[in-house]
Amino acid sequence: QKEVEQDPGPLSVPEGAIVSLNCTYSNSAFQYFMWYRQYSRKGPELLMYTYSSGNKEDGRFTAQVDKSSKYISLFIRDSQPSDSATYLCAGDTGRRALTFGSGTRLQVQP
Amino acid sequence: ETGVTQSPTHLIKTRGQQVTLRCSSQSGHNTVSWYQQALGQGPQFIFQYYREEENGRGNFPPRFSGLQFPNYSSELNVNALELDDSALYLCASSFTDRNEQFFGPGTRLTVL
Repeated sequence: QKEVEQDPGPLSVPEGAIVSLNCTYSNSAFQYFMWYRQYSRKGPELLMYTYSSGNKEDGRFTAQVDKSSKYISLFIRDSQPSDSATYLCAGDTGRRALTFGSGTRLQVQP
Repeated sequence: ETGVTQSPTHLIKTRGQQVTLRCSSQSGHNTVSWYQQALGQGPQFIFQYYREEENGRGNFPPRFSGLQFPNYSSELNVNALELDDSALYLCASSFTDRNEQFFGPGTRLTVL
């Protein structure tokens, strides 16, 4: 079993939809959680960074962490075609050695 | 502010050869981490450098080695290349007291 699990998708939604991306993890020592966006053949871009459980909002993006169920989510409001990319979740115990999921490919149809 | 840069962009090597990849960290960042991303997979942690010393290593063999220089730039060296080493190699930099890591564009290595 991988430490971080993600549905690979692809997830296809119409423009303007609310997107929900999810990950589960098994390492109880994770304290920090990140979401990265990766366009094809590019490096990952940090979208959201959260510490421990709770919610964090930044513009159209909301990250949620539930440590009791080992579940992390990213919500994208008013999705745009430019949001089409692979979304990677990652956990970190504090040692800055990120453990990534395999990514979910999102397609936003105009 | 300059982001993380990596060179070269692409590289083709043959099995058994050695390769060196380079990374310049984001301005002010003193910690550099290297990751390997196989096609269709998430990045895997190789190792991290802080104060020119290895500061943590993932499940990679010793033929993967690195260096960090006084200006915080870094190199990843891979000896005795294998076909499975074909991947996107990513460098990420961060401040020591912060956990956010910022990635460069990567070097795509193909081993034939």
